[in-house]
Amino acid sequence: SAVISQKPSRDICQRGTSLTIQCQVDSQVTMMFWYRQQPGQSLTLIATANQGSEATYESGFVIDKFPISRPNLTFSTLTVSNMSPEDSSIYLCSVRQTNTGELFFGEGSRLTVL
Amino acid sequence: AQSVTQLGSHVSVSEGALVLLRCNYSSSVPPYLFWYVQYPNQGLQLLLKYTSAATLVKGINGFEAEFKKSETSFHLTKPSAHMSDAAEYFCAVSIVSGGYQKVTFGIGTKLQVIP
Repeated sequence: SAVISQKPSRDICQRGTSLTIQCQVDSQVTMMFWYRQQPGQSLTLIATANQGSEATYESGFVIDKFPISRPNLTFSTLTVSNMSPEDSSIYLCSVRQTNTGELFFGEGSRLTVL
Repeated sequence: AQSVTQLGSHVSVSEGALVLLRCNYSSSVPPYLFWYVQYPNQGLQLLLKYTSAATLVKGINGFEAEFKKSETSFHLTKPSAHMSDAAEYFCAVSIVSGGYQKVTFGIGTKLQVIP
């Protein structure tokens, strides 16, 4: 298993600003995943953060809006840029056990945009 | 491609009653299947997983699920609900296709336990 810490746990932000979410894992992992959980909806994969290369974004998500850093094998950041109220959501960092696809999650960062 | 359908976005049961949360999936290849639980203001925690071994899978907190290929189902059950079971439950399917592993989540079912 993996222990994942996220910061901030929650924040209230103004429209047009940006917020960076940090994710720290207690072990080295090749891939880290960023998910969004909008109110009343399921989890949607935003992107896969690979150490040493650019992140891979899912359809509907772009680097300009959600830039990701992955400076080492235990840490990643997700920035939500130029925020609007539609970005109000829970953002979750995750890592995977590769042989079964089991995911381990951080506690999430709850973002409210006014 | 794969998909997950959770029937019932909200389920209410009385304390001590049977819990049944439904999950159906579609997958072009044999899947791995998971149930996750999310307590208020927390991240997701794995309840149990099916990885092609026994079809009846036991998880934490007294939950279990049965993989039924003929029905493409993986329903979650618990014989007797506790107040502490109130949470949101997510079914998920994971497949490997073209060397790439993809996980898809259902929309979630909020379980309310009535005293």
